[in-house]
Amino acid sequence: ETGVTQTPRHLVMGMTNKKSLKCEQHLGHNAMYWYKQSAKKPLELMFVYNFKEQTENNSVPSRFSPECPNSSHLFLHLHTLQPEDSALYLCASSQDSVSGDEAFFGQGTRLTVV
Amino acid sequence: SQKIEQNSEALNIQEGKTATLTCNYTNYSPAYLQWYRQDPGRGPVFLLLIRENEKEKRKERLKVTFDTTLKQSLFHITASQPADSATYLCALDMRQAGTALIFGKGTTLSVSS
Repeated sequence: ETGVTQTPRHLVMGMTNKKSLKCEQHLGHNAMYWYKQSAKKPLELMFVYNFKEQTENNSVPSRFSPECPNSSHLFLHLHTLQPEDSALYLCASSQDSVSGDEAFFGQGTRLTVV
Repeated sequence: SQKIEQNSEALNIQEGKTATLTCNYTNYSPAYLQWYRQDPGRGPVFLLLIRENEKEKRKERLKVTFDTTLKQSLFHITASQPADSATYLCALDMRQAGTALIFGKGTTLSVSS
């Protein structure tokens, strides 16, 4: 275990549904990240939080809405998604958002939009 | 914008040989470069980090080089084993530039016995 836990592991949702992905880290880190991984594409950075403040939104559509209530928890709220949003969503954490330390990833949530 | 190329999508080698994976990037040279391993259906796992002023870093059978002039990193696995079969990701640490880790597509290594 990496110390970063994502739930659920798998999610199937319709285009009109609303769902949330949850990420929890037990490492005492201050920075948390959401990445999207689609087949044959590199990991795409979506959001960065540092000390609960969002420091980057990488031009992500508004149907994805992040929430970071504290340094240990990160959510990704989903609504009116499209089939092309089907992917593996990965959460990661690091000590802080300054360079030089490794990122710890969760196992991901495999999302399928039907 | 920063671009990262990992030279091949797939690499097949025989057990016992050395696997060499390449990561090239454009534009901004990061202060740090990292390598991760990803197994199917799982999140990436950190392997090695190398700083811009380090030419080489080793950890057991792994070796990483970093050439900021060529804008290239090489990742070597010596005495490869079937258990080394996985996808290996190169990541530029762009946090000093105000963003995060930026990843390449990865190279899928298959080691046959």
